[in-house]
Formats: sequence, C-alpha cells, structure tokens
Amino acid sequence: GEDVEQSLFLSVREGDSSVINCTYTDSSSTYLYWYKQEPGAGLQLLTYIFSNMDMKQDQRLTVLLNKKDKHLSLRIADTQTGDSAIYFCAENVAGANNLFFGTGTRLTVIP
Amino acid sequence: SAVISQKPSRDICQRGTSLTIQCQVDSQVTMMFWYRQQPGQSLTLIATANQGSEATYESGFVIDKFPISRPNLTFSTLTVSNMSPEDSSIYLCSVILGGISYEQYFGPGTRLTVT
Repeated sequence: GEDVEQSLFLSVREGDSSVINCTYTDSSSTYLYWYKQEPGAGLQLLTYIFSNMDMKQDQRLTVLLNKKDKHLSLRIADTQTGDSAIYFCAENVAGANNLFFGTGTRLTVIP
Repeated sequence: SAVISQKPSRDICQRGTSLTIQCQVDSQVTMMFWYRQQPGQSLTLIATANQGSEATYESGFVIDKFPISRPNLTFSTLTVSNMSPEDSSIYLCSVILGGISYEQYFGPGTRLTVT
C-alpha cells in the first residue's frame, strides 16, 4: 500500500525559512503534491512536481524531490504569519487517479 | 483552476439520520472524488464518482452507507446514511482538471457533526 509520512509539527520565526519534509514508499509515484489547509478551510493546491524532476521553484516555494530516497520537501522562504496552516504532501501513483495523503504538518509561524 | 462549491458547509445531525452533500464545479470535469477527513487526521478517499455509472468505492466504504450520484460532468452528491458519531468528519469533493495534467482541486469541505 501507499504510506506517506510527515512530521506533525514545525515552528519557525517570521522571516525565517520553513522546510517541511515528507517521505513516501511507492516508487511508482508520478506526481507529488503540496496542499495547504488553513483552519476551517478546504485544501489549497500549492504546487506539484512530476516525478522525473528534482526541483521546482514557484515564488517563495521550492520543492525538492529525491526519488532515490523517496523524500519530498517544501521550503517556504521568508515565512509569514499567513503561512501558518497544515501542509499535506500527497502522491499520485501509477494506475490510480486519486491521491494518497500524508499525515499533515502543522506549521506555526511565531511573530 | 476550478471553482468548486459544496453545500452545506456544515451541519449538525442526529444519530440515525442521513445527510446529502452537494458538490458543484464551474466547468466540466472527467474525474470527481469524495474524501473524508476525520478530526485531526489526514484525508482518506471514499470513492470515485463516475458520470453515468456506479461509483467506485475504496476498501472500507460501501454504497449502502455512502451512496453517490453523478448525473453530469459538473455535479455530484454524497449521502452519509444512518449516521453515527463516528461519521463526524469533514467531507471534501475534489476534481481533476485536464487529461494528462493531474491537477487535483478540492472543494471547501462540509463539516459534519453527528450527535
């Protein structure tokens, strides 16, 4: 089965960089995703990366993928209080159209 | 991206009753899914809503408990039947846009509390 793991909590100071990590087990992943969930809200698609890429940058967000180690990370530069939320990584595996989600990392930004 | 709305946004229901959740998308989509997010947990796929045919359910979810309709390419409903407190969750619909682009977007969710 698909197993996607994340650390549960991360605290950073405003202005610092945040790095949220994710490990997965299915080597047939085709796309990997990062979603943001603010309190009481649905999931916002932040970014995604195709499995044959190592890195993707989008403004303050940098996604790094180490396919050998099955490790995905999301770096948020210049973290702001508005970045406080739960961040989910998810994978889309070959043969399935749905996503398999990690446990979520609650990011707290300290002013 | 897609604009996805869900109704109701939240509800408090009594044990033994049923609730139907609606999901409306502003464009035609081929694939729609229903997920459940139990309190403090991650998301679990309930089923894939297939247009014009029966939904495809994941292990642990059955049609009698979670009947799904998908009458067209922009709309789906999920019913939570004979509810118990264990059904208290956020229910989210999601859609995939495009053919080879696996951009999957989520609705705002329906927060269900069963008393």
